[in-house]
Order: sequence, then structure tokens, then C-alpha cells
Amino acid sequence: DTAVSQTPKYLVTQMGNDKSIKCEQNLGHDTMYWYKQDSKKFLKIMFSYNNKELIINETVPNRFSPKSPDKAHLNLHINSLELGDSAVYFCASSLNRDRVSHFGAGTRLSVL
Amino acid sequence: AQSVTQLGSHVSVSEGALVLLRCNYSSSVPPYLFWYVQYPNQGLQLLLKYTSAATLVKGINGFEAEFKKSETSFHLTKPSAHMSDAAEYFCAVSDYGGATNKLIFGTGTLLAVQP
Repeated sequence: DTAVSQTPKYLVTQMGNDKSIKCEQNLGHDTMYWYKQDSKKFLKIMFSYNNKELIINETVPNRFSPKSPDKAHLNLHINSLELGDSAVYFCASSLNRDRVSHFGAGTRLSVL
Repeated sequence: AQSVTQLGSHVSVSEGALVLLRCNYSSSVPPYLFWYVQYPNQGLQLLLKYTSAATLVKGINGFEAEFKKSETSFHLTKPSAHMSDAAEYFCAVSDYGGATNKLIFGTGTLLAVQP
């Protein structure tokens, strides 16, 4: 009964490839997020969706394209992967009025 | 703009000793503040939150934090450290923009617990 689940947990790929990470939440939340954690453990928001609508896009390269088919899902597609994209990507969700974000276990992306 | 600063990227304590992890915030509005813990190779787990109610907030695993407006601080404490407390701890402030709740994180503090 995982609350926020991401797949895959690990992703190793070559530079220039395109990859996707999937996220699903079963908490009934209306807002979902993608955060990036770099090699120094610094966490920064990338995107936020509320009821399938893009709310936040934090100057992320347009090689990154989030898609929210419904309130419970937020996927992240990355085109033309670069070495600098190597990081841990966390999905999170929250109920708007609650302000508490629940995080997935993360996807560790390694670009070779 | 809202921000948080965590003083000390590494803190080492002995098992049974007091844990004190420091967090200072900057906010133009009454802040909502959080502490999250990240165990190795895992996601972030909420320890506790301050949402403008009681200034002393109790969380899971024996942790607590006190909101001090005069010092713009939200330090995390635990009276007696356990080996299992070794992890990375993140302080965060909520940047609430109507339809969404963005978290702005500090740079994290790695807690080591020595036997």
C-alpha cells in the first residue's frame, strides 16, 4: 500500500538517450511534484502539477517534459540525456490545504 | 523570497548524547516549516511540521523542534541519540502559492552517531 511510488528505482543509460520515470500516488492528493537531488544532496523543485495543470516550472531545460494524465500520476520524460542529468529524482504529492508533501523513494539516474 | 539555512553540514554525536541540528529561516510571511529525514538510499520521511499552532512541535522517533520567531530558528533536537538516527536531515520551508505548495530545502545535515 505504498503511498507514492516511482519506477524505476535505478536507471542507467547512455548520453543522448531518452528515458521516462513514472510516479503514482494513492493518497487522493491533488498536487504532485518532481524534485531533483544532486550529488551534494541538494534538493530543488523542478515541476508541480495541480489537478493535471502545470503550476510550477522552475527553469528546467525543455529536454525535461512532465506529463500528468490524471491527478494520481505524474511522469517525467527526459530527452537527449546529458551527464549533468545524473541525480536522484523524487516524486512527491500533497493535499493543497495540508502543505505536507509525501515523497516517493526516488529514482537514481546515472548517465554514462 | 523564502529560504532556510542549515548550520553544519556534518554533525557527530555519541550514542545517548543530545542531538541538536540547526535551522534558520527567512520568510516574509508566517512560515510553515518542516524537518525531513533521509536514510541512505531512501526517500524523504516527514519528521515533524510547524504550521503556526504550538511553537514546540513533537515528531516521530523522539524528535522535537521549537519555532522561535525572534531568532528565526527551527532547531531540531532529540534528548538521546540512537545509532538508528544516523541519516541526512533536511529543514524546509513551504512556499505556498495558492494552488501548490513548493518546499524550499536547506542543504542538509548529515548526522553520524558514534557508539
